[in-house]
Amino acid sequence: QQQVKQSPQSLIVQKGGISIINCAYENTAFDYFPWYQQFPGKGPALLIAIRPDVSEKKEGRFTISFNKSAKQFSLHIMDSQPGDSATYFCAATTSGTYKYIFGTGTRLKVLA
Amino acid sequence: SQTIHQWPATLVQPVGSPLSLECTVEGTSNPNLYWYRQAAGRGLQLLFYSVGIGQISSEVPQNLSASRPQDRQFILSSKKLLLSDSGFYLCAWSRDTSTGELFFGEGSRLTVL
Repeated sequence: QQQVKQSPQSLIVQKGGISIINCAYENTAFDYFPWYQQFPGKGPALLIAIRPDVSEKKEGRFTISFNKSAKQFSLHIMDSQPGDSATYFCAATTSGTYKYIFGTGTRLKVLA
Repeated sequence: SQTIHQWPATLVQPVGSPLSLECTVEGTSNPNLYWYRQAAGRGLQLLFYSVGIGQISSEVPQNLSASRPQDRQFILSSKKLLLSDSGFYLCAWSRDTSTGELFFGEGSRLTVL
């Protein structure tokens, strides 16, 4: 029940295309869902996050879509660029706790 | 603004040797501090977290330990490294648990030979 299942494991997208990464969770107590971007040899950087009271959040080319009833959320990268090539992690946590449950990551490669 | 520093960035150690990884946070007070380990191609495993000086909670029993001697300093240690301790170690901090935001350091790559 504490797992966050992330898919796909890897993704190849052409420059200018849309990258979509999906995550699913079981624990309905989760109330904060961040996405992290990690470049090789670097720590994960907080990219964008959403709370269950909204269905979508957009920041630049990055959009989170959230489906509370299905217990799923996804990251959409519009107009994908080679510089977006990185590993993306979804995560979930419950406010007031110290536990963040991370997905297993998606390695994105954007072809020039 | 807040920054998090972690060192050393890279470390190669023989089996049985000790380990000390350090992490400091600047620009905030009384942060929650975390140590994670990331194995190659895998997700993030929480090792320890701390809500204050001297307060350490362990998530995974192993031969690692953590200490928080100062408010913004978090140290990961081992007396005798194992081969299985190799990995990418990440320090992280959060302001409090209400916002949910968690910020990571640059990581320390440990190779045990």
